[in-house]
Amino acid sequence: DGGITQSPKYLFRKEGQNVTLSCEQNLNHDAMYWYRQDPGQGLRLIYYSQIVNDFQKGDIAEGYSVSREKKESFPLTVTSAQKNPTAFYLCASTRDRTANYGYTFGSGTRLTVV
Amino acid sequence: SQQGEEDPQALSIQEGENATMNCSYKTSINNLQWYRQNSGRGLVHLILIRSNEREKHSGRLRVTLDTSKKSSSLLITASRAADTASYFCATDARGAQKLVFGQGTRLTINP
Repeated sequence: DGGITQSPKYLFRKEGQNVTLSCEQNLNHDAMYWYRQDPGQGLRLIYYSQIVNDFQKGDIAEGYSVSREKKESFPLTVTSAQKNPTAFYLCASTRDRTANYGYTFGSGTRLTVV
Repeated sequence: SQQGEEDPQALSIQEGENATMNCSYKTSINNLQWYRQNSGRGLVHLILIRSNEREKHSGRLRVTLDTSKKSSSLLITASRAADTASYFCATDARGAQKLVFGQGTRLTINP
C-alpha cells in the first residue's frame, strides 16, 4: 500500500545535539512538507519542497534544516539552534505543487528534549 | 501565518447527534480542506471543496463554503464514538502553493 513512513515514532534529544527525522513516501508525490504541532495547537509549517533538490522555508524554519536529494525522501534535521524542539512533527506529501489535492500525512515523530 | 480559525475550540455531544464545526479564513483561496486527527496520530484528509463550489457531501460529512463571508462549515451527521477526534480546516491562499492549518476543533462524542 502507498503511504508515508515517518521514523522513529519517538525520539529523545539531549541538549546541544542534532537529530534527524526520517520521512519516506512511495506515492510518487512531487511535494513534501514538514509541520510542527505543539500540544493542543494547530500545525505550523517548517519547510516544504515541491521538486527534488529544491526547498523553501515555512513559517518557523529557524533551527531546522532539510534536504531533498530523492523524490521519495525529505528528512528533517533539528539542530541545536532550535531552542524549544519538544513537539510532534508531521510529514506530509501531495501530488503536485498546487495544493489542489489533499495531503497525505505520516503518523508523526514525537521529539522530546531530555 | 494563521489563515483558518475553527470555532468552537471544543465540542462535546451525545452519540447520534449532529456536530457542526466552523472555519473562517482571511484571504482569497483556491480550495478549503478538512482533516481529522485522532489523538497522537497523523492527519487524515476528509474532504476538499473548491472556491467555485458551495456544498459537498461525503458519507456522513457535509461541507459548505461561503466565499463572500470567507467561512466554511463541516457537519457530521449521526455522530459515533469513533468520530471523537480533532478536526482541522486548511486553506491555500491564492498563489501560496501550500496549506495553512487552523487551530482545530476537539470533538468528543459521548456514548
